[in-house]
Amino acid sequence: QKEVEQDPGPLSVPEGAIVSLNCTYSNSAFQYFMWYRQYSRKGPELLMYTYSSGNKEDGRFTAQVDKSSKYISLFIRDSQPSDSATYLCAPAETSYDKVIFGPGTSLSVIP
Amino acid sequence: EAQVTQNPRYLITVTGKKLTVTCSQNMNHEYMSWYRQDPGLGLRQIYYSMNVEVTDKGDVPEGYKVSRKEKRNFPLILESPSPNQTSLYFCASSLLEGANQPQHFGDGTRLSIL
Repeated sequence: QKEVEQDPGPLSVPEGAIVSLNCTYSNSAFQYFMWYRQYSRKGPELLMYTYSSGNKEDGRFTAQVDKSSKYISLFIRDSQPSDSATYLCAPAETSYDKVIFGPGTSLSVIP
Repeated sequence: EAQVTQNPRYLITVTGKKLTVTCSQNMNHEYMSWYRQDPGLGLRQIYYSMNVEVTDKGDVPEGYKVSRKEKRNFPLILESPSPNQTSLYFCASSLLEGANQPQHFGDGTRLSIL
């Protein structure tokens, strides 16, 4: 079993839809959870960063962590064509550890 | 503008011909690393450097070399490239090592080894 798994997609949604991107992991020691966004022909950029369980909201984006299920979600409200990208989840055990990147989910928001 | 610059962006070459991919950052970051990105496997770390003259292996270091003679530069060297090194490569930097340090990535180098 891979340490971090994501459905590769592609996920295609109409503009304005609520998008749910999911990630599962096997290491129960993960406590820090990052989401990176990667546009085509670009490097990843940090989108959100959460610690432990619970929700964190930033504008149209909400990150949710369920450590009991080892399940991470990223919700995008009122999705826009500019949200079309690959989304990588990246957990870590401590703030000093390097992150482990998931394979990413490709999202396409259709105007 | 704060950035990580990689060159070349694209390269097609043949087995065994030594090549170097350059990486430079202008943010005075201590920590730099190289990743390769392959479909279904995600980003895997090749080598990293915590400071000048301090480098260490990542998860997939075989067939690669690095050096860190200056803080801003972190070149990736393939001394004898092979087809299994065909991939998309990213250089990244952050102020320090650690999950709570946002990594800034270059735009990638697509290598094809024939």
